[in-house]
Amino acid sequence: AQSVSQHNHHVILSEAASLELGCNYSYGGTVNLFWYVQYPGQHLQLLLKYFSGDPLVKGIKGFEAEFIKSKFSFNLRKPSVQWSDTAEYFCAVIPLGSSGSARQLTFGSGTQLTVLP
Amino acid sequence: DTEVTQTPKHLVMGMTNKKSLKCEQHMGHRAMYWYKQKAKKPPELMFVYSYEKLSINESVPSRFSPECPNSSLLNLHLHALQPEDSALYLCASSQDRTKGNYGYTFGSGTRLTVV
Repeated sequence: AQSVSQHNHHVILSEAASLELGCNYSYGGTVNLFWYVQYPGQHLQLLLKYFSGDPLVKGIKGFEAEFIKSKFSFNLRKPSVQWSDTAEYFCAVIPLGSSGSARQLTFGSGTQLTVLP
Repeated sequence: DTEVTQTPKHLVMGMTNKKSLKCEQHMGHRAMYWYKQKAKKPPELMFVYSYEKLSINESVPSRFSPECPNSSLLNLHLHALQPEDSALYLCASSQDRTKGNYGYTFGSGTRLTVV
């Protein structure tokens, strides 16, 4: 069964530090890739998504992610984090079947980011 | 309209109560989903409706009963819940699942507490 791995469970950074959160998936075919953010007590918000084309994707709030097909990875980056970026971050994957039909959205276990002021 | 609207936002219910969660979208999406999310955990899929028909039930206990009255509405009927069912219940929708390259739109969720 396909899986999504986020190896960093909790990341603590100081403001202005650079961020990179890892995401790897195990599905061998074509995939749609997503990063979601969940601020404390709030709902999921889409940060960015990759369907096809340029593997470097820019999202909201200064986040970007790079799809590296050979590494089955879709890491999230931000050059300079702010205290307000403190949140839970989820990577998610939708595998596409051979006919292009889509399967379920599968989430990684999440990474809690704490940014110290 | 690019939103998924869930009501109520908060719900406290006793173990003998019957309540319903509601979800609505007007984006023309033909797939709708119920997820359950416990604190600090990723959302877990409960049910999938495709073209108003239940297509996936992830072995959810019968005390949770989904209903899709039309293409815009999705309900989750709750009965005889247990305290461990307390969680954030998320509704989502997406375009036709037979086509690729789409994303999910999530609602803000209903925070359910069972006492």
